[in-house]
Amino acid sequence: SQKIEQNSEALNIQEGKTATLTCNYTNYSPAYLQWYRQDPGRGPVFLLLIRENEKEKRKERLKVTFDTTLKQSLFHITASQPADSATYLCALDIRGNTPLVFGKGTRLSVIA
Amino acid sequence: SAVISQKPSRDICQRGTSLTIQCQVDSQVTMMFWYRQQPGQSLTLIATANQGSEATYESGFVIDKFPISRPNLTFSTLTVSNMSPEDSSIYLCSARAGGGQPQHFGDGTRLSIL
Repeated sequence: SQKIEQNSEALNIQEGKTATLTCNYTNYSPAYLQWYRQDPGRGPVFLLLIRENEKEKRKERLKVTFDTTLKQSLFHITASQPADSATYLCALDIRGNTPLVFGKGTRLSVIA
Repeated sequence: SAVISQKPSRDICQRGTSLTIQCQVDSQVTMMFWYRQQPGQSLTLIATANQGSEATYESGFVIDKFPISRPNLTFSTLTVSNMSPEDSSIYLCSARAGGGQPQHFGDGTRLSIL
């Protein structure tokens, strides 16, 4: 069966450290993989998109890797800050005009 | 990026009544979707709103309970019909220009049924 899993439901990390979130999937062949941030009471907000032929993508303190052999994406936040505390969702972008397939999310808490 | 406005932002309704949620996108988009999310839980896709034709519903969701309209490329409505306490949830509208594009979300409608 098709599955997308974000390995940790919750992750606590000290301010200044690097947070690493994991997204694994099975029986999908996504053309792209996307990461979103969701704050309480708000809708998800797009952060980064990485294509199947890209290994790594960076944006400021964010870095995403995409390994189509392992069927895994890693999402890193370097020099984490309490303002980074939120739920982070990964989403598979399958070819064609279909909705994204979202993981359940990882709730990140950055402790000062 | 597209900005999505949803209204109402919240409502408290009586059992057995219906509520229509409106979603307006500030630009023309190919795809619009409706999701449900329990507080602290993951997103559940209700349906894809198709412009000018019937919506495409996911397993477990039916048109009689969640009728959807999409008269043009920037507007959609979701009606929650004959509401029961189990329908209490956050309903989110989302839109996307196409494959390989981000999906944008409204801030949701928080619905409570008494």
